[in-house]
Amino acid sequence: AQSVTQLDSQVPVFEEAPVELRCNYSSSVSVYLFWYVQYPNQGLQLLLKYLSGSTLVKGINGFEAEFNKSQTSFHLRKPSVHISDTAEYFCAVFTGTASKLTFGTGTRLQVTL
Amino acid sequence: DADVTQTPRNRITKTGKRIMLECSQTKGHDRMYWYRQDPGLGLRLIYYSFDVKDINKGEISDGYSVSRQAQAKFSLSLESAIPNQTALYFCATSDLRGGNYGYTFGSGTRLTVV
Repeated sequence: AQSVTQLDSQVPVFEEAPVELRCNYSSSVSVYLFWYVQYPNQGLQLLLKYLSGSTLVKGINGFEAEFNKSQTSFHLRKPSVHISDTAEYFCAVFTGTASKLTFGTGTRLQVTL
Repeated sequence: DADVTQTPRNRITKTGKRIMLECSQTKGHDRMYWYRQDPGLGLRLIYYSFDVKDINKGEISDGYSVSRQAQAKFSLSLESAIPNQTALYFCATSDLRGGNYGYTFGSGTRLTVV
C-alpha cells in the first residue's frame, strides 16, 4: 500500500522569502503525484501534478515541484512567497493498484510580513 | 455553478440524530469519494464509488453509510451522529479517461455534532 509523509506540519516564513514544503511517499509501483492547496474556508484545488516526463513540474501561483524517484520525494518550492500564499498544502499519491489518491496530513504555510 | 456541489455548507446536529450530506456533480465523472478532514490528520477516505453499482468502504467507514443515487449524486449518511464525527467533510470526483488522475473537490460541509 502507498503512503505519503509530509514532514512539517507548520512552516512559518516571511514574505518574499523562499519556501520548500517536503513530501515523501512510499510505493512499490509507479506513482502519480499531486499537490493541492486549501485556502481558509475553502475546498482543495489542484496546484500541480506529476504524471510523467520532466521531473520538474510547474504549477499555479509560481509554485513548482521536483519528482525525485531515488529519494521518493516530491517537494514543493516557491522562490518568493506572498501573504496570499498562506494556506494548507496537501501532497497526494495515486497508484494504479489502489486506483485512488492517498493524502498526506498537510502542511500549514504561514506567511508574515 | 460549481462543478461539485455539497449541501449543506454548515450543519449543527445533536448526538443520536440521523443526518445526510449531499453531493452532486456536473463533471460527468464516474468516480466519487467522501473524505473527512480533521486538524493534523489530513484527509481520510470514508467511502468511494467507481460507478453507480460500485460502492467501497474507505479507511474510516464505521458509523457512515452512502448512497449513489445516480452518476451525478453521492450522499453520505451518519446513522446516529456522535461528537467525534464533528469534522469538515469533502466530496470529490475523478475520471481516469485521458490520463487525468486528479480529483475535483466540493467546497466542503462543516458538521458539528453537539
